[in-house]
Amino acid sequence: QVQLQESGPGLVKPSQTLSLTCTVSGGSISSGGYYWSWIRQLPGKGLEWLGYIYYSGNTYYNPSLTSRVTISVDTSKNQFSLKLNSVTAADTAVYYCARVGYISSWYWFDYWGQGALVTVSS
Amino acid sequence: SSELTQDPAVSVALGQTVRITCQGDSLRSYYASWYQQKPGQAPVLVIYGKNNRPSGIPDRFSGSSSGNTASLTISGAQAEDEADYYCSSRDNSGKHNHVFGTGSKVTVL
Repeated sequence: QVQLQESGPGLVKPSQTLSLTCTVSGGSISSGGYYWSWIRQLPGKGLEWLGYIYYSGNTYYNPSLTSRVTISVDTSKNQFSLKLNSVTAADTAVYYCARVGYISSWYWFDYWGQGALVTVSS
Repeated sequence: SSELTQDPAVSVALGQTVRITCQGDSLRSYYASWYQQKPGQAPVLVIYGKNNRPSGIPDRFSGSSSGNTASLTISGAQAEDEADYYCSSRDNSGKHNHVFGTGSKVTVL
C-alpha cells in the first residue's frame, strides 16, 4: 500500500518561500510509471493542481503559477518537494501531495497524502 | 479551454440514483477521473478512465463520457456517499496541465 506524507512549516511569512516535502512509502519513486504531484485547496474552495515531477526530474507546472513554483525529487530519500516563492495570504491553503497514474489519455491521482495546512501570515 | 464545470449542489434520496456531470472541452481528448472528498479529509479516487474503480470502491459508483461531458453515477446512494465530488482531466492545450472541476456537493436525503 503506497502512502504519502507531507511535512514542512505550517506558518510562512508573506514574501517568503513555502517549502514542503512529501515522503513516499510502500513504493519507489525511482521505479517510474507515475508522476508525483502537488495539489492545493484554498479554504472552502476547490482543488488546484500545482504541478508534477517524474523520477527522472522532468517537471510540469500549472501555467498560472509556473513563475513561482519549483518541484524537485530526491530518489535516494524517496521524497519529492515543493517550493512556492513570494507567497501572500492568497497562498494559504491545504497542500496535498499525490501519485499520478497514466495510460495514454487517462490520468488519475490514486494515492494522496493527508494534507498540510500552510498559513501565510506575519 | 482549461475549465471543468460541475453543478454546485445535487441531492438524492437514500437508495436512489444520482448523476453528477462535468463539462469541458478537454473531455473530448482526455478521460475524466472522479474524487470523493469528505470534510477534513483528503480526496479519494472513485473512478478513472473509461469506467474503472480502484480497489475498495463500491460498484454503485460508475462513470461514463460523451463528447465534452463526463458523468459519475451513484446507483443506490448511501448516507456515507454524502460528500463533495470533483472531476479532473488533463487539459487539451498540448502541455501537461491538469484541471479540477468546480465541485459538486452531494446531499443524501
